[in-house]
Amino acid sequence: DGGITQSPKYLFRKEGQNVTLSCEQNLNHDAMYWYRQDPGQGLRLIYYSQIVNDFQKGDIAEGYSVSREKKESFPLTVTSAQKNPTAFYLCASSIEGGTSGNTIYFGEGSWLTVV
Amino acid sequence: AQKVTQAQTEISVVEKEDVTLDCVYETRDTTYYLFWYKQPPSGELVFLIRRNSFDEQNEISGRYSWNFQKSTSSFNFTITASQVVDSAVYFCALSEALYNFNKFYFGSGTKLNVKP
Repeated sequence: DGGITQSPKYLFRKEGQNVTLSCEQNLNHDAMYWYRQDPGQGLRLIYYSQIVNDFQKGDIAEGYSVSREKKESFPLTVTSAQKNPTAFYLCASSIEGGTSGNTIYFGEGSWLTVV
Repeated sequence: AQKVTQAQTEISVVEKEDVTLDCVYETRDTTYYLFWYKQPPSGELVFLIRRNSFDEQNEISGRYSWNFQKSTSSFNFTITASQVVDSAVYFCALSEALYNFNKFYFGSGTKLNVKP
């Protein structure tokens, strides 16, 4: 089935550790996104990529890093510099990201908890 | 200022009641798009509908209907004869082109509880 796969679903991080969240899509979409969701709040954009080997910071990029070496993959690393990383992380994609109105489709999300 | 406002944080209804989720947006663009997504307890956001700024026709899909009114900058979502499976958080979103980027603005969501 076509879709967006995120792993792991649940992840626990110790203070000072970096962790990487995986995101893979088989929709042949050019654009991919990472969003963060905190309880009772909307989604905030962390990073986005409109094409392979290119990515841009979103609204809350500090403490995060990404790579886009393959069209289908867009992993997110939560670094130790991110002071409050406990949240729900959603990966998404759209057919292209340069014009308004392209529907964004989401993965099932990953819960990250700092212990 | 919020680009998308969902003033209703949480709504509780009894099964078979009709319920309307409000969404008010703000934009200066003449071309924009509006979306609704459903987030069930499992977490994934499920796309429900996309509307462009030039099409103010109301849309109906089964028990779901959407009322788009540019005059009041609103894009409200009505569920008719609600069911327990409709329990979820619903997000309204606005898409604008921002420096050649498909920028999405999400509301803070409305949690709908449908009780049997």
